[in-house]
Parts: sequence; structure tokens; C-alpha cells
Amino acid sequence: GAVVSQHPSWVICKSGTSVKIECRSLDFQATTMFWYRQFPKQSLMLMATSNEGSKATYEQGVEKDKFLINHASLTLSTLTVTSAHPEDSSFYICSAGLGGRLYEQYFGPGTRLTVT
Amino acid sequence: GDSVTQMEGPVTLSEEAFLTINCTYTATGYPSLFWYVQYPGEGLQLLLKATKADDKGSNKGFEATYRKETTSFHLEKGSVQVSDSAVYFCASERGGKLIFGQGTELSVKP
Repeated sequence: GAVVSQHPSWVICKSGTSVKIECRSLDFQATTMFWYRQFPKQSLMLMATSNEGSKATYEQGVEKDKFLINHASLTLSTLTVTSAHPEDSSFYICSAGLGGRLYEQYFGPGTRLTVT
Repeated sequence: GDSVTQMEGPVTLSEEAFLTINCTYTATGYPSLFWYVQYPGEGLQLLLKATKADDKGSNKGFEATYRKETTSFHLEKGSVQVSDSAVYFCASERGGKLIFGQGTELSVKP
């Protein structure tokens, strides 16, 4: 149980276009979802925390107008990278929380974004 | 701010060898500490945790002890298997947020 999926697993887009990444909790309802970004050989950096039905809380330094997060239901959160540029190329990982203990997050397999 | 530092990989071991992956943290106070594992093509999974000093977390033959004197949480396993090949992440929790190390890739050869 507690499976989180991401789609797509890999995407290439042209500079200036927008890309949407989906994160789904398959067999449970997630009140909180998290979005992380990972550069090669570096740690996961939390980008934002979203709660179903409310606006996401972004970490310092993350552009909320560039990285649009929508958590419309208890099983789906989306991250849209708007007007993507090559520096946005990265590995994006989502996770879903089951309860009040933060470490009980279930992670998706990640999405590799390459902007050309 | 808080941070977590892991030993760099990749680490390559033969089956049944002893494993140590070093992890140190910086924090004000005493955060909870975790090890996560990511198998190829899968998401991160919680491997073990320790919530206070001197606690030992253990799971699947892996162990780590929360040492406040050395601000460390090293991961150990007495005899690794090929199936343990994965990327291992050390993390701390502070203010409701997880702070990850950069990950250490482990490759176990038969």
C-alpha cells in the first residue's frame, strides 16, 4: 500500500513552453503533498508544501509564479513549470503525507525534466 | 541553518561485506534523524529512524545510532546483499521539514 505515482517519468520540452507534472496517491488520500527538486549528485530540496483545497506554501527562493502547484483533490497534485528555461532542467520528486508525522511521506519515483 | 552531510559515493562492495555510510548533521537542538533508501526506478522509502539521542533505528539488517556527541547517524549493515544496491539518503527533520543529504549510491557485486 501507500503508492505514489508521477507522470510523466521523463519529459523534454523547448525553452519557453510550460510543462505539467502529475503526482497521484494511488491507494490512500493525502492531505498534504510535497514537491522537491534534485540536482545531480545533490540532495532533495523542498520546493513547496500543498494541502488539499488551499494554496501551496513555497520555500524561500522558489518562484511561485514559475512553479505553479495545484492540489485539487486528496489524490492529485500537479506542478506546472511555466515558461521553462534550461536552468529548470532537473529531477522533480513529489511525496504524499498520510498523517501528522512528517517523516511518514510516501515518495513518487520522480520526473526528469530536460529543457532544450 | 540545518544541514546534513553524507559520504560521497558511489560505494562498491562485494556481497557479504560490511557497510558503513557516514552521515553528520548540523542543527540547533536535537532533530529527528532518518535514513531513506531509493531502489532503481522507485521512490524514496523510509528505512529507519531515531527521534532522540542514543536511539538506535534498525530495519532489514540496517542499523544507525543517533550520536549527539559527534552529531552523527551512520548507517551500518553487517553483511550486504546484491539486493541492497540502491541510493541511501540521510535526513533530519526540523520545523516540519525534511532536510536531506546528497545521497550515497551503493553497488553490491556478487
